[in-house]
Amino acid sequence: DTAVSQTPKYLVTQMGNDKSIKCEQNLGHDTMYWYKQDSKKFLKIMFSYNNKELIINETVPNRFSPKSPDKAHLNLHINSLELGDSAVYFCASSQDTGGPSPLHFGNGTRLTVT
Amino acid sequence: RKEVEQDPGPFNVPEGATVAFNCTYSNSASQSFFWYRQDCRKEPKLLMSVYSSGNEDGRFTAQLNRASQYISLLIRDSKLSDSATYLCVVNREWSSASKIIFGSGTRLSIRP
Repeated sequence: DTAVSQTPKYLVTQMGNDKSIKCEQNLGHDTMYWYKQDSKKFLKIMFSYNNKELIINETVPNRFSPKSPDKAHLNLHINSLELGDSAVYFCASSQDTGGPSPLHFGNGTRLTVT
Repeated sequence: RKEVEQDPGPFNVPEGATVAFNCTYSNSASQSFFWYRQDCRKEPKLLMSVYSSGNEDGRFTAQLNRASQYISLLIRDSKLSDSATYLCVVNREWSSASKIIFGSGTRLSIRP
């Protein structure tokens, strides 16, 4: 019944590794997002996909690559992980048709790079 | 200057008190406004949308002042369970969440 689910919940890995985070939403929403929340708790958008098309690509390193196989899924692949990538990554979705569009968040992936 | 600014707090108030937060935004073209709540080590969750005429949901009242570019959240009769970080959220577009900007949050702690 979870609306937006992401896996894994915790991810501990070493510098230089490549890792992926998966996200799925069953709300039928058109748009999905990846947000990063750093140690100062500031939430910053990384990517947005609308019906499998990238519509936002904020200035994140190209080591981060989103992939959306269909509109219910948005995965995040990270190459050559760095210490500064340690953060909580949230997936979110929104409906985006008619009226204000609140975001629905997944429960986050806490990434620790050692 | 940040596009959305909030007092980070923490606000530490006794149970039953009334507490109010303000949030200012710099982009006068902003279209829609929200308050989210984030508990420790959890995801943000929508608390309420903020409408031009102001709106109320139980003990929570949200107000929007477009002329002064601020939104407010009032919590009456605060409960221990209200302890959380409250995020002010501003969207530059009416029907798309693609231009959402989050404030850095105001921490609220309710003491018995």
